[in-house]
Amino acid sequence: EPEVTQTPSHQVTQMGQEVILRCVPISNHLYFYWYRQILGQKVEFLVSFYNNEISEKSEIFDDQFSVERPDGSNFTLKIRSTKLEDSAMYFCASTFYGYTFGSGTRLTVV
Amino acid sequence: TQLLEQSPQFLSIQEGENLTVYCNSSSVFSSLQWYRQEPGEGPVLLVTVVTGGEVKKLKRLTFQFGDARKDSSLHITAAQPGDTGLYLCAGEGQAGTALIFGKGTTLSVSS
Repeated sequence: EPEVTQTPSHQVTQMGQEVILRCVPISNHLYFYWYRQILGQKVEFLVSFYNNEISEKSEIFDDQFSVERPDGSNFTLKIRSTKLEDSAMYFCASTFYGYTFGSGTRLTVV
Repeated sequence: TQLLEQSPQFLSIQEGENLTVYCNSSSVFSSLQWYRQEPGEGPVLLVTVVTGGEVKKLKRLTFQFGDARKDSSLHITAAQPGDTGLYLCAGEGQAGTALIFGKGTTLSVSS
């Protein structure tokens, strides 16, 4: 069964530091997404990416966030200057006919 | 802003009982998806319902999409301890657009 792979599984970073979360979507999928889930809260949409550009983004996805597809396989989420409230599970997902989520990266900002 | 209200938030039942989880909205969705999420893992898609009134069955799980495509339900027959977990509903406005998630239902089935 094809998988969406995310690395790292855990990331601890100091407030103000930049982090890059990495994802390898399923190869024939067309849409790529980042979602986040703060502990105890619902899964929230951040951004969607299609045809090498952002197709939709939420209010959460401000100037501190950026996404890139640097090559044919990786899809990255960068947070430029992390804040304590960025601590969450970050999920990458890709779709063709149905969504497949990765296992997530647990980001802890200290 | 589209919202999905999921209820109940917590459900604790005995093995063999039936249960229903509800997902309601005032908005119309092009599809409604149900996921199961294990601790520390990403949501895993169980089913997608697309047509108003559609019913899909997955073994002991029955999913229904409301006629107006604003609500959905998940019914589990004869629950088993292996059904324990977090169940999420998520609505899609248009194909390829962001999913709106409910808060989830934490189900605990004891033997």
